[in-house]
Formats: sequence, C-alpha cells, structure tokens
Amino acid sequence: VVLTQSPATLSVSPGQRATLSCRASQSVSNKLAWYQQKPGQAPRLLMYGASSRATVFPARFIGSGSGTEFTLTISSLQSEDFAIYYCQQYNDWPWTFGQGTKVEIK
Amino acid sequence: QAQLVESGGGLVKPGESLRLSCAASEFIVTYFDMAWIRQAPGKGLEWVSYIRSSGDTIYYADSVKGRFTISRDNAKNSLDLQMNSLRAEDTAVYYCVRHTRGCDYWGQGTLVTVSS
Repeated sequence: VVLTQSPATLSVSPGQRATLSCRASQSVSNKLAWYQQKPGQAPRLLMYGASSRATVFPARFIGSGSGTEFTLTISSLQSEDFAIYYCQQYNDWPWTFGQGTKVEIK
Repeated sequence: QAQLVESGGGLVKPGESLRLSCAASEFIVTYFDMAWIRQAPGKGLEWVSYIRSSGDTIYYADSVKGRFTISRDNAKNSLDLQMNSLRAEDTAVYYCVRHTRGCDYWGQGTLVTVSS
C-alpha cells in the first residue's frame, strides 16, 4: 500500500488552521496512524484508528477519514506544533509510511 | 510509563555485522507486537522488521530480507536485531517500537553508519 501525503510542505501562521492529507493506494479501512516528529527526536504517536487521538495531544488535533482518504487537521496552530507529520497504515504488511508533511511557520 | 532503550549502533564497514538491542521497561516484550523502524539521514521512516507477540509471525522489509534477523530475549526483556552484510544504504537511525494500534512507544534511536 502506497501512502501519498500532501502537501510536502505547509506554511501556516500561528493560530491558523492546517489541513494535512494522506491518500492510500488501496483501502486500509481505519487502520491509519499519524505521527509527529520534531528535529532530533523520535516520532510520537498522535492519532490511531484514523480518528482516535493519543492522550498526550490536545483536542486541536483532529483525525478523520477511512478507506483511502484521510485528513489530519490542526485547528489553531501553536508554536509547538511545527514539525513533520507522517501517516502510517497498519492494515496490511508491509506496513507503510507516507513521505511526510512538514508544517512550517509562515 | 513504558520505555524502550536501544543500544549497539556504531560505525562499521560494508559487509560487516552489528547487533542492536532494545531494552524494555514497565512492560513485557513478548506480550506485544514489536518492530524495528529506521530513518536514513534527512529521510522518512521505513519499516525494517516486525515480530508478532505470539512469535509465530515475523516480517522483514525486502531491502533487508536474508541479511537481518529479529529476535527477543525473554531473560533480558529485550528486542534484538542482528544485521549482517551491512551496506551503505543501511545507514540510518534505528528505532525500536512497540506496536498496538500504531507505534505507541518508541526508543530514542541508535545510529548505524556503514562506511568504508
């Protein structure tokens, strides 16, 4: 399963909304996770089951979608949210990652 | 709080071997699906190998099949990765992860550099 994330880079002003897309080449049901990675750190699980948020992340992070189309929305970007976001499907081996979307300060 | 700590990375020459180990605390490795993921410098994430909690299912990425072996050490409560016939393209930070619904715990990573 190929996961295609768009855009590759998203330039957003603090306080604005960010919308990240992840498209699968075939259905992965809702077996999709999102990760946040900051420079020099390991990724952190942000979302699983497409729309279930990990408890350490605030409610401004919203995941949606199923099948082949998924979206991660950050409703009001804070300074700590600027990072690279990866999607990952775990419906079928080999589990695959998208290539990442970098969210940067505009 | 569960924790994973990798060790064993370093600089090796092409064709040489290295063994990575990942020590787990606050949970039992054999109770969970576990995996190794790597990230080449400045690149994205790539699955390397996976072992199901039952131990009866193991997967490898095509790029490492036949060269890498994943295993668990019950006494040490650790996940290991034996890497043979290393190539320059294996250069990466290697992360040990626990997988439930997504990779919910990650180690800090250990850097493997393959260079002559």
